[in-house]
Amino acid sequence: DTEVTQTPKHLVMGMTNKKSLKCEQHMGHRAMYWYKQKAKKPPELMFVYSYEKLSINESVPSRFSPECPNSSLLNLHLHALQPEDSALYLCASSQGKGGVSPLHFGNGTRLTVT
Amino acid sequence: EDQVTQSPEALRLQEGESSSLNCSYTVSGLRGLFWYRQDPGKGPEFLFTLYSAGEEKEKERLKATLTKKESFLHITAPKPEDSATYLCAVQGGKYNFNKFYFGSGTKLNVKP
Repeated sequence: DTEVTQTPKHLVMGMTNKKSLKCEQHMGHRAMYWYKQKAKKPPELMFVYSYEKLSINESVPSRFSPECPNSSLLNLHLHALQPEDSALYLCASSQGKGGVSPLHFGNGTRLTVT
Repeated sequence: EDQVTQSPEALRLQEGESSSLNCSYTVSGLRGLFWYRQDPGKGPEFLFTLYSAGEEKEKERLKATLTKKESFLHITAPKPEDSATYLCAVQGGKYNFNKFYFGSGTKLNVKP
């Protein structure tokens, strides 16, 4: 079991749907991340929140909208996605307090866009 | 350019056949280097943090080492359950300490 929990585990959505991915951690970490991972590729950074403020946006299309309601929760709102957005979406957290701290990942949401 | 490169891309070993995976980096301002194990369909699982050149960490059949430009993950007498993709990540860069640079991974297959 991981300490970062993601829901749902699997999601199938049409190109006109709106859905959200959710992530929760209770390790007291202050940095939270969204990564996208395609098959046989490393995780690709999308967004970073530090102390609930968006600190990195890796030029992600606006059809992906992140939200950090509090230090334990992270959401990713999805709208008008394309089939090429199908991937494993990983949430991660780290201490984020300026020191050296590994990322702790959840097990991801497998997203299929039809 | 900040970059992390892993080799080989894939490695097939017989059970008990020891080997090493390589992670080389050109990230300025290295804060830490991390090794992860990823099983299919799961998130990466944290294995080790290395902070400075000369440091070594061990866990069961795995030992990670760090020099100024690269890290090695040594696998001693591997078992089939060690089969996974091993990812290396570097925390560093000039502008944001929350940024991590990932290598492409080494897919390890250990045959019984």
